[in-house]
Amino acid sequence: EDQVTQSPEALRLQEGESSSLNCSYTVSGLRGLFWYRQDPGKGPEFLFTLYSAGEEKEKERLKATLTKKESFLHITAPKPEDSATYLCAVRDSGYSTLTFGKGTMLLVSP
Amino acid sequence: DAGVIQSPRHEVTEMGQEVTLRCKPISGHDYLFWYRQTMMRGLELLIYFNNNVPIDDSGMPEDRFSAKMPNASFSTLKIQPSEPRDSAVYFCASSFLGVGNTEAFFGQGTRLTVV
Repeated sequence: EDQVTQSPEALRLQEGESSSLNCSYTVSGLRGLFWYRQDPGKGPEFLFTLYSAGEEKEKERLKATLTKKESFLHITAPKPEDSATYLCAVRDSGYSTLTFGKGTMLLVSP
Repeated sequence: DAGVIQSPRHEVTEMGQEVTLRCKPISGHDYLFWYRQTMMRGLELLIYFNNNVPIDDSGMPEDRFSAKMPNASFSTLKIQPSEPRDSAVYFCASSFLGVGNTEAFFGQGTRLTVV
């Protein structure tokens, strides 16, 4: 059974204070690891897909990296508008569905 | 494209009543997923369709839940009868699983409260 564990559950940062969110996963065969951002009262918004260990993707202040067991979402010099819940999900080979972690709630204070 | 459209955005109903949630996927997408989100359990897959055909409904919690996809542009999730423990946010998502395209796009969700 696929498992996705995210840590920490919640993270509070000062504006400009860089940090990383962790996503550990267990799958039989990875067909993609996904990062989503979810704002309160809204649906998850797609950020990145990573397919193989060593792959990295960047978008503004966010950079996602992938190893064989975990993924990190690095946030560089965050701003208050980066406050949201960040969700990690995996797709196992042979399946069409995503298994989600419970998310990390990020709060960036000015 | 307007994205995945769900209705209603909010639904408050009394225990025992029938509830129907609606979803219009992104045009051209061949997969449709229904998820439920709670604080305790996070996002859980309920059922998904491929080309309008239900593929896996093992996540549907009870026989009180049913889902249909009569055509490529419309799906419903029905709860009958509803119970307070069904209170959650229900999301519909769609995707087109081609080479290089694997992400799912979510609607804004329906917040269901059963009193």
